[in-house]
Amino acid sequence: DAGITQSPRHKVTETGTPVTLRCHQTENHRYMYWYRQDPGHGLRLIHYSYGVKDTDKGEVSDGYSVSRSKTEDFLLTLESATSSQTSVYFCAIRDRGNEQFFGPGTRLTVL
Amino acid sequence: GQNIDQPTEMTATEGAIVQINCTYQTSGFNGLFWYQQHAGEAPTFLSYNVLDGLEEKGRFSSFLSRSKGYSYLLLKELQMKDSASYLCAVRDEGGGSYIPTFGRGTSLIVHP
Repeated sequence: DAGITQSPRHKVTETGTPVTLRCHQTENHRYMYWYRQDPGHGLRLIHYSYGVKDTDKGEVSDGYSVSRSKTEDFLLTLESATSSQTSVYFCAIRDRGNEQFFGPGTRLTVL
Repeated sequence: GQNIDQPTEMTATEGAIVQINCTYQTSGFNGLFWYQQHAGEAPTFLSYNVLDGLEEKGRFSSFLSRSKGYSYLLLKELQMKDSASYLCAVRDEGGGSYIPTFGRGTSLIVHP
């Protein structure tokens, strides 16, 4: 599983509240990614990181921010959650080869 | 960017062979991936193709034709546990970010 954990695994929150999702890895990978997965859309990239404090936007970054203050943790924040952000969120790392390994996912429901 | 197309759903019979196609359009091809995703779980890596031809790995094979913008995943001796979504992803030559773009996935249903 490439040593990737996500927390929380499930969360229900209300519109307008801030939410932070955590991705933690134990194998010192440089590249980390946040995706969301929705029916009919597949996996879409939100933000990614290529090192500590080095991040960039993905395809669907509006409404999301990220931080990476140390190698092992990549945080995804929804400053003010909306119902359109109800989704399953996957964190991933890129192996030293070409493969991406995914965390177990966080199911977020915004009411 | 990329435009990736794969069928939404396929059905097949246990023990049979199934081929899942993926077509793509990209400005600078730099590799194609296949992932398997069971319902409620994370995607798991199946294969990577960067050169034309067939890559075989047990019951699964993946083929690539860069000139045609085409790949397929071939699953042999289908088992019930192969019922899953299969994701095609294409990586573009855009710098060193190594970020593949995913298609919407093909849901494969294997019947007894």
